[in-house]
Amino acid sequence: GAVVSQHPSWVICKSGTSVKIECRSLDFQATTMFWYRQFPKQSLMLMATSNEGSKATYEQGVEKDKFLINHASLTLSTLTVTSAHPEDSSFYICSTSYEQYFGPGTRLTVT
Amino acid sequence: GENVEQHPSTLSVQEGDSAVIKCTYSDSASNYFPWYKQELGKRPQLIIDIRSNVGEKKDQRIAVTLNKTAKHFSLHITETQPEDSAVYFCAASKWSGTYKYIFGTGTRLKVLA
Repeated sequence: GAVVSQHPSWVICKSGTSVKIECRSLDFQATTMFWYRQFPKQSLMLMATSNEGSKATYEQGVEKDKFLINHASLTLSTLTVTSAHPEDSSFYICSTSYEQYFGPGTRLTVT
Repeated sequence: GENVEQHPSTLSVQEGDSAVIKCTYSDSASNYFPWYKQELGKRPQLIIDIRSNVGEKKDQRIAVTLNKTAKHFSLHITETQPEDSAVYFCAASKWSGTYKYIFGTGTRLKVLA
C-alpha cells in the first residue's frame, strides 16, 4: 500500500499561535488528499479535501480561514492551524484519496 | 449527505468467540465500504473492504457482508484473539471525482483472554 508520512507526530503550542502539519506521500503522486481530525474515543471527521494546485474543499462547519490547507506539490499537503485555541487540541490525520492510506497522525495540544 | 451508523459502540468477547459489528448507510449511491482497525494512538489501517457488486468477501478470519437493499454491511471476526482488540471503523463512499469517505462512530472491541 501507499506510504504516507506526517510531521510532526506531536506538537504542543500556546494559545494564539499557529501550527503547520505536513503530510507527505512517499511513494506515489497524490493529486488529492484528505485531512481528518479525531477527538479522543471518537470517529474520524473529514475536515477538507486537499487538491494539488487548487483550493481545498472544506466540509460544512470547518473554518477555512482557521485551517489553512496548501497542496503545492504532488507529494506534499500542509495543514496550518491558525490562532490555535485549546479546543483545537486533537489528533489530525491525513490520508490518500484512494483506499485511504493514512498518515501516522499528529497530536496537537494547545495550552 | 451520507450518514453512517455503527453498532455496537463497545463489544467484549471471549477469546475464540466471534465478533460482529454492523453499519448502516444512508446514501444508496455509496458503492465502496472499507473497514479499518485502529490501535490506541496509531493510524487507522485498512483490514478489508467490499464493493457494491459483491455480497460477501472473506480474508482468513475476517469477513464482510453487504446488503445493498437494506443499506447495511457487517464485519465478522471469527476465532478472536487478544491482538484483535482495537477500535474498528466502517466507512462508506462513492465516486464523485474522488472517493470521499464517511466514517462510522467506531466500535471498541475487547477480546478477553
